[in-house]
Amino acid sequence: ETGVTQSPTHLIKTRGQQVTLRCSSQSGHNTVSWYQQALGQGPQFIFQYYREEENGRGNFPPRFSGLQFPNYSSELNVNALELDDSALYLCASSPNGRALRDGYTFGSGTRLTVV
Amino acid sequence: DAKTTQPPSMDCAEGRAANLPCNHSTISGNEYVYWYRQIHSQGPQYIIHGLKNNETNEMASLIITEDRKSSTLILPHATLRDTAVYYCIVAALTGNQFYFGTGTSLTVIP
Repeated sequence: ETGVTQSPTHLIKTRGQQVTLRCSSQSGHNTVSWYQQALGQGPQFIFQYYREEENGRGNFPPRFSGLQFPNYSSELNVNALELDDSALYLCASSPNGRALRDGYTFGSGTRLTVV
Repeated sequence: DAKTTQPPSMDCAEGRAANLPCNHSTISGNEYVYWYRQIHSQGPQYIIHGLKNNETNEMASLIITEDRKSSTLILPHATLRDTAVYYCIVAALTGNQFYFGTGTSLTVIP
């Protein structure tokens, strides 16, 4: 059983650019969530996707958007990058739709640096 | 907003039990207590969760007080590889997000 995989592992972008981060959920998991973790802070919820639709969103502006595909993989897109977007972006999957019965399986994240 | 309070840091001698406390005084009846840990530059790793009964698995034990307002994660024999940030999270099964807070940075000392 494979875990959650994220790509790329590291990325450097210039302020104002756009970025796409990718996540493959763990086998059998149909729900994907994205978190942003700034240095020294705990992860913050961005949004969750279930059955290819957004199922809840944290306090992030619309320039943060996402997609979920029929195979349950997901993308996180960030437009008009700002310096404060520099963070570790974590993808998490779960097997139970919107339920948290078994918690989440997290990937190792994508380290985004905006210069 | 995080619904839990944890000490920012703790030390533990290698081989000894590590007891990590968490206060969650506003926990609701349908909310579980989850514990995750995050080793530097990796994603958070699930440890254990419980509702009101004490729980034990191969990694740790979770002790929840009778009033459910606090809990303790116990690593019975800490090793250097247990050095990590430990997050205590309360969440309902019907919820769709975790509020992580800043966790407890545990350092296991040789």
